[in-house]
Amino acid sequence: EVQLVQSGAEVKKPGESLKISCKASGYIFSTYRIGWVRQLPGKGLEWMGFIYPGDSDTTYSPPFQGQVTISADESISTAFLQWSSLKTSDTAIYFCATHDPHQLITSWGQGTLVTVSS
Amino acid sequence: DIQMTQSPSSLSASVGDRVTISCRTSQSISRYLNWYQQRPGKAPKLLIYAASSLRSGVPSRFSGSGSGTEFTLTISSLQPEDFATYHCQQSYSMPPWTFGQGTKVEI
Repeated sequence: EVQLVQSGAEVKKPGESLKISCKASGYIFSTYRIGWVRQLPGKGLEWMGFIYPGDSDTTYSPPFQGQVTISADESISTAFLQWSSLKTSDTAIYFCATHDPHQLITSWGQGTLVTVSS
Repeated sequence: DIQMTQSPSSLSASVGDRVTISCRTSQSISRYLNWYQQRPGKAPKLLIYAASSLRSGVPSRFSGSGSGTEFTLTISSLQPEDFATYHCQQSYSMPPWTFGQGTKVEI
């Protein structure tokens, strides 16, 4: 059974950096794309981008290009989402999710709440 | 990017009701349309893929239809555990894979 376990909630100040993680198990990590989905408070879902751990090929949705970095470490079956300078507008729940070869989002992490406030 | 419009944004229903949610896309996506259920405080869960294929383990009261730019999710007889938010998502051709804004089904 595929399991995605995300790191815990974070409270940060504007301008700070942050890296959250998503540890995968139950499948061969290098074979499925793994990505991130944002959910602003009380809002819908936004697909941010994904990475193919096998070759680190990464695709971003245009609004998130240059704003975040998606990476993965195959040796520990873990994907990461990183910010170099957080904004209050980054306050949201972030879900990691696996994409099957047909681009279906088949498994989800439990979500990580990121709160950015001065 | 392909834009998604879901309607209604919320609806009130009772146990046993038939519920229909619509999703419209800004361009034709053939049948590359998926539906997710998100219960409060939980991660979304895939219900239906390719417009009308039920994911294994999903109750048969859920069904999907449509193609091109117009799609529908139907719950034939609403159960207590179905009160949730439903999201449509397109997976046509190339990323980004966009979602609708969600439909909240409330009592």
